[in-house]
Formats: sequence, C-alpha cells, structure tokens
Amino acid sequence: ETGVTQTPRHLVMGMTNKKSLKCEQHLGHNAMYWYKQSAKKPLELMFVYSLEERVENNSVPSRFSPECPNSSHLFLHLHTLQPEDSALYLCASSQGRGTSTNEKLFFGSGTQLSVL
Amino acid sequence: GESVGLHLPTLSVQEGDNSIINCAYSNSASDYFIWYKQESGKGPQFIIDIRSNMDKRQGQRVTVLLNKTVKHLSLQIAATQPGDSAVYFCAAGKGRRALTFGSGTRLQVQP
Repeated sequence: ETGVTQTPRHLVMGMTNKKSLKCEQHLGHNAMYWYKQSAKKPLELMFVYSLEERVENNSVPSRFSPECPNSSHLFLHLHTLQPEDSALYLCASSQGRGTSTNEKLFFGSGTQLSVL
Repeated sequence: GESVGLHLPTLSVQEGDNSIINCAYSNSASDYFIWYKQESGKGPQFIIDIRSNMDKRQGQRVTVLLNKTVKHLSLQIAATQPGDSAVYFCAAGKGRRALTFGSGTRLQVQP
C-alpha cells in the first residue's frame, strides 16, 4: 500500500446528485493533490493543497469543489456533474510543500466515477 | 507549455527479454523527469526519477536514460517479468509548474 487511501473505490451518480470523494494520507506529507484520469488521456492535475492552503487550481469547473481540513485529509465535493466527468479520480500526496515539481507523488488507488 | 508523449501505446515483449519504453517531451527547460507504473485497478506507483544534470540513473532492474539534446527519455526494464505488465507513464516538470504526464504505454509480457 502507498499510504494514501481513497474512498469510495467506485461511485455511480446521477447528474443531479451531490457526492463527495475522500482521501486520507498516512505519510506525514504536507501537500495533497487531486488528479483526473480519463481513458486514453494523460493525467490532468485539478487541485493542489499545501499545508491546507490551495496553491493550484487548474481551471476546473465549479461543480468540483475541493476541501482540505488538515494536511492528512482531502475531499472532492461533486454536484450537478456531467457524463463527461466520468473518470478515475486520483488523490496523491507529496512530502514537500507542493510548490516544486521535483517531488515524488504517492497516489491512492482512485475512485472510479460514473455519471449517468 | 509542456507536452509529453510516449512513442507506443502498447508494447509486447517476451518474458525474460529487456523492455524499452520511450518518451518525448517538448520543453527544453524541463529539469525533472519521473516514471510511474500503473497496474489495473491501482493508482500510479513511482518507479524511478532523474534530474536534468544526469544522463542515466539505475534502480533495481530499471534504468532511465535522458537525452536532453533530442528531448527524449527512456525506461529500460531488464529481464521483464509477468508482474511488470502494466501501463507506464512518464512525466516532465520544471520549477513550480506541475508535472505534465504522458498518456501511457501498456506493457504486455508474454509467457
């Protein structure tokens, strides 16, 4: 195990639903990330938090709302999603402050999201 | 911006052979490169990384080669095993910009 735990592993939701993805890291890291992985496309960075402060937001639609209550927990709140939002959502953490690319990322196993 | 591409979407090798997965990047200013392995149903797992002040770095059964002149990165896996079957991603980065990932090469190991 990588020390990064994501729940749920699978999620099916309608376009009018509200759901949340949860991520927890047990590595004592300072930075946490949300990535989106769509079929046959590269990993897309969504959000970066460093010491609970959002330091990067890559033009993600407002129907995705992140929350980082402490350095060990990260949430992604979802509402009124579209079918094209169906993807694997990956959480990652890194030791540093998330302000340098020279950091090894530790990924969770992801939440496979299907929007109907 | 940066773009990162892998040369082959799929690579098939015989068990015991050496595997080479190639990756190209576009930004000559990129100074950090990393390879990940992703098995089915799992998140990406770190394999090896290299900085631009190096040309080669070796790990256990893996070697990463960096050719900055042609902006090319490769991952070599020695004596490929069935457990090496996975999707392999390279990523490149510079400074504070987030890593840019390639779309992945699926390595299939034939027994």
